[in-house]
Amino acid sequence: EAQVTQNPRYLITVTGKKLTVTCSQNMNHEYMSWYRQDPGLGLRQIYYSMNVEVTDKGDVPEGYKVSRKEKRNFPLILESPSPNQTSLYFCASSFQATGTGGYTFGSGTRLTVV
Amino acid sequence: AQSVTQLGSHVSVSEGALVLLRCNYSSSVPPYLFWYVQYPNQGLQLLLKYTSAATLVKGINGFEAEFKKSETSFHLTKPSAHMSDAAEYFCAVSYSGGYQKVTFGTGTKLQVIP
Repeated sequence: EAQVTQNPRYLITVTGKKLTVTCSQNMNHEYMSWYRQDPGLGLRQIYYSMNVEVTDKGDVPEGYKVSRKEKRNFPLILESPSPNQTSLYFCASSFQATGTGGYTFGSGTRLTVV
Repeated sequence: AQSVTQLGSHVSVSEGALVLLRCNYSSSVPPYLFWYVQYPNQGLQLLLKYTSAATLVKGINGFEAEFKKSETSFHLTKPSAHMSDAAEYFCAVSYSGGYQKVTFGTGTKLQVIP
């Protein structure tokens, strides 16, 4: 089944403790992206990647890192999480980065930072 | 800069009634437009997309949307609401030409009353 898999689904952590949220897609998509969803703000893009070893900042990149060493994986790293990073996170992928095809989304990771 | 505005963060309809979710876009060039649906505790799923072909676009689950350039609108409709349509709906905009970011609206929660 074609899908984007995120892990974990739920995570509670403490301020300053490094964490990684994994994202993997099995569709051979070139483009991958991370979003955070907050009430009343919709989805805001954190980082995106147009291909292996090519990443760039989205609208809200502060406090996050990403890497794209393999085409299928695009982990999101929070090196020193803070409470304002409590949010619902989504990974998405697309065959091309032209914006025409629409995204396939993962099921989300609900992160709470205390 | 491109943007979308969704009018009404919450919409309630009776089962069997018309569903109308409003989306207006702002784009300096011809846009690509999307509607996504998010069921509780799930990721976003593409409902339909407009990519400059037919102005009336049919999607999954009986939804359709009409692109109206003169009104800069892309409203989502369904003739008869079903209980299973209760979800949050997001409008999104992009445009052609190389990498183009997809910008999401803030979402509309649809409640279906039995």
